[in-house]
Amino acid sequence: NAGVTQTPKFQVLKTGQSMTLQCAQDMNHNSMYWYRQDPGMGLRLIYYSASEGTTDKGEVPNGYNVSRLNKREFSLRLESAAPSQTSVYFCASSLAGALGGSYNEQFFGPGTRLTVL
Amino acid sequence: DQQVKQNSPSLSVQEGRISILNCDYTNSMFDYFLWYKKYPAEGPTFLISISSIKDKNEDGRFTVFLNKSAKHLSLHIVPSQPGDSAVYFCAASSTGTASKLTFGTGTRLQVTL
Repeated sequence: NAGVTQTPKFQVLKTGQSMTLQCAQDMNHNSMYWYRQDPGMGLRLIYYSASEGTTDKGEVPNGYNVSRLNKREFSLRLESAAPSQTSVYFCASSLAGALGGSYNEQFFGPGTRLTVL
Repeated sequence: DQQVKQNSPSLSVQEGRISILNCDYTNSMFDYFLWYKKYPAEGPTFLISISSIKDKNEDGRFTVFLNKSAKHLSLHIVPSQPGDSAVYFCAASSTGTASKLTFGTGTRLQVTL
């Protein structure tokens, strides 16, 4: 099992360019998440998908869009990149469910380091 | 409004001694707490968790303590090893919220020889 995979690992964009970050999981998890990590800010939730076919905003959704393509894949799109979006982006997945508890444990991908000039 | 706080950005401990990492939360609806470990250029990895119905959970060298009345949890690492040097994130969740986690800002642990 590869777990959670992300592509690309690194990306440099110019202001105004667009790009899509890809994420896939092979653990048959129900929920998927996108975070950004900035120095001193911890991990902040951008968007999440509780189940296939649904997406919801997290703490910092402005400037981003997401697509839950199927149960395995969850992509993050930057339509018009800005320097403030320079960050490390992590995708995660969890089994999730109404039971809570250990179902809430999230598994993370290796991250995408994005620089916007 | 930061609901999960890690007030110590960094901690340095000698090898073999105990490392204690602290975390405070404000949301009384949180009922499950997790610690993640993160090495540079890698994604966070799950370390240990605790349900709000318990006050202690142990896994090898790692023990998490939960004080619900104080809304405080701590991670104890005994004995500390150089390989434990990493950033540790505390996270919290509530049942019925699509398993969303709220993370603290992290504590960088340095274990010295």
